[in-house]
Amino acid sequence: SQQGEEDPQALSIQEGENATMNCSYKTSINNLQWYRQNSGRGLVHLILIRSNEREKHSGRLRVTLDTSKKSSSLLITASRAADTASYFCATDSGSYGKLTFGQGTILTVHP
Amino acid sequence: ETGVTQTPRHLVMGMTNKKSLKCEQHLGHNAMYWYKQSAKKPLELMFVYNFKEQTENNSVPSRFSPECPNSSHLFLHLHTLQPEDSALYLCASSQTTVNEQFFGPGTRLTVL
Repeated sequence: SQQGEEDPQALSIQEGENATMNCSYKTSINNLQWYRQNSGRGLVHLILIRSNEREKHSGRLRVTLDTSKKSSSLLITASRAADTASYFCATDSGSYGKLTFGQGTILTVHP
Repeated sequence: ETGVTQTPRHLVMGMTNKKSLKCEQHLGHNAMYWYKQSAKKPLELMFVYNFKEQTENNSVPSRFSPECPNSSHLFLHLHTLQPEDSALYLCASSQTTVNEQFFGPGTRLTVL
């Protein structure tokens, strides 16, 4: 069964608003990663958060990790139309290099 | 995206054809990966290579045959595929198998 599951499946917001996407997983992890994919193209790595970390920031991105609840969230602040993409969480559970991806959240930011 | 390149970007093949997908990384990484992305399914890991050695085969059918001649190049040889193999095939690389992965643009494969 898949490890990461994103919620919501789709999110539609206006430019300037914040977007929050959630990811839940089932087993213990070494780290959790967030990726972005523009339509039909390769994935771009956004942030990696290790199991002993609780929060990380990168520009307008903020990722939290709650290992007790086996969940993570990705917050994009002050969204832009260019943020429109699919966002995936992926978990690394220790089988070196074996990332397990969720179904993704489709984010649409309207100008 | 220029760190990891994939060719061809689009491929249409019949079920009896033999073709190969090529991936090249210019990042000096030691690990390379093949993924399959089908519509409405999560991204699926197919193979992992670490220092040219295959370390993971995620129960992939034998009609998909990977080859890693060196740490910079990865191939996926295809033969007698099925229409359900139509998907976006993504290559990725990472410094080691515990680091973030860098993806290529993918090859959109259609099997007729």
